[in-house]
Amino acid sequence: DIVLTQYPDSLAVSLGERATLTCKSSQSIFYNVNNKDYLAWYQHKAGQPPRLLIYWATIRDSGVPDRFSGSGSGTDFTLTISSLQAEDVAVYYCQHYYESPRITFGQGTRLEIK
Amino acid sequence: EVQLLESGGGLVQPGGSLRLSCAASGFSLSRFAMSWVRQAPGKGLEWVSGISSSGSNSYYADSVRGRFTISRDTSNNILFLQMNSPRVEDTARYYCVKDRRESPGPPYYFDNWGQGTLVTVSS
Repeated sequence: DIVLTQYPDSLAVSLGERATLTCKSSQSIFYNVNNKDYLAWYQHKAGQPPRLLIYWATIRDSGVPDRFSGSGSGTDFTLTISSLQAEDVAVYYCQHYYESPRITFGQGTRLEIK
Repeated sequence: EVQLLESGGGLVQPGGSLRLSCAASGFSLSRFAMSWVRQAPGKGLEWVSGISSSGSNSYYADSVRGRFTISRDTSNNILFLQMNSPRVEDTARYYCVKDRRESPGPPYYFDNWGQGTLVTVSS
């Protein structure tokens, strides 16, 4: 199975500053037939179900603020929050679907306010 | 508005059985793949099982294959997860999740999640 490793495990960022979260795959999840990276990002706040933020590595889901952006390709991916807001405190997970239905998630990055 | 409401969680003994249900509204189960994703206490997310939009194909993580069965009732728009011979390590909150894509294939990524139902496996 493909293993996703997220860095760092936890991150503290000041309000208004940029937060950069990384997800590294054990093998490429880019499919050259359709030129797509099979990666999604989720936000999981305490006491709530997870929320889809990004799919196909870079596409923001409907209603997701534009301060959230996804980038990367192949094995290395980044979720960037351009200007951290208090409501962004959460655990963030990456998830691949390259070998669907053998879907796996990263272990998560906990984001806090400094 | 899409809503997913899980039920059926609780305390079950190892080797027992439990059936989880997920009542879906705002869309038809016959149009979207559905999955169950779980989160053990203090742990991350784990995909457990999925079913294609046609219902013809069901999929399982290695950790539950042969013990859990996913199914659905399209007449009532309800998704199920039958948990047989549960183990202590199956203790988790189980989320019912809807695929983002309207596609006949396997699940990919999930745009709607229920609140989850808590399953505790303990003697």
